[in-house]
Amino acid sequence: EDQVTQSPEALRLQEGESSSLNCSYTVSGLRGLFWYRQDPGKGPEFLFTLYSAGEEKEKERLKATLTKKESFLHITAPKPEDSATYLCAVGEKAAGNKLTFGGGTRVLVKP
Amino acid sequence: NAGVTQTPKFQVLKTGQSMTLQCAQDMNHEYMSWYRQDPGMGLRLIHYSVGAGITDQGEVPNGYNVSRSTTEDFPLRLLSAAPSQTSVYFCASSWGGGVYTDTQYFGPGTRLTVL
Repeated sequence: EDQVTQSPEALRLQEGESSSLNCSYTVSGLRGLFWYRQDPGKGPEFLFTLYSAGEEKEKERLKATLTKKESFLHITAPKPEDSATYLCAVGEKAAGNKLTFGGGTRVLVKP
Repeated sequence: NAGVTQTPKFQVLKTGQSMTLQCAQDMNHEYMSWYRQDPGMGLRLIHYSVGAGITDQGEVPNGYNVSRSTTEDFPLRLLSAAPSQTSVYFCASSWGGGVYTDTQYFGPGTRLTVL
């Protein structure tokens, strides 16, 4: 059975304190790994898609990387506006366009 | 483009009542899906559709019904609401995908409380 596990569940950072979020997955045939940002009371907002091991993508202070078993979302010198829940999801070869989501990591960046 | 829109934003129902959550997208996406989000459970797939006239069950379909008569609209019907259906509901859409899973774009959500 597909599994997507995110860690830690919650992360408190000081402004400027870089850190990484982890998303580990077990699927038979990865068709895409997705990172979303979700603010309280809002829908998930798309950040990145990664398709193959070794791939990296960046956007402002965020950088996503992918290996064969996990993905990391690195937050460099975070600001309070980076506070949100970050969701990871995977698409699997036999699942069409369906996504399996992890439980998310709640990030709080204090000034 | 409005993207994915959902109505209503908030709804309170009594046990046994029925209602329809509306979802529409203006991106001409083939694939649409409904998720529910509960604390500690992440997003779980309820139903999905790969195109007009085609729907299928996701992980947690019981108590919900869907239809897809147009490309744009994908309503979710609660047949007889139960307290266990108290949740936040999200609709999402994407292109159909091919070799790779396509990116899904989410609506703002409907917060449903069943008393």
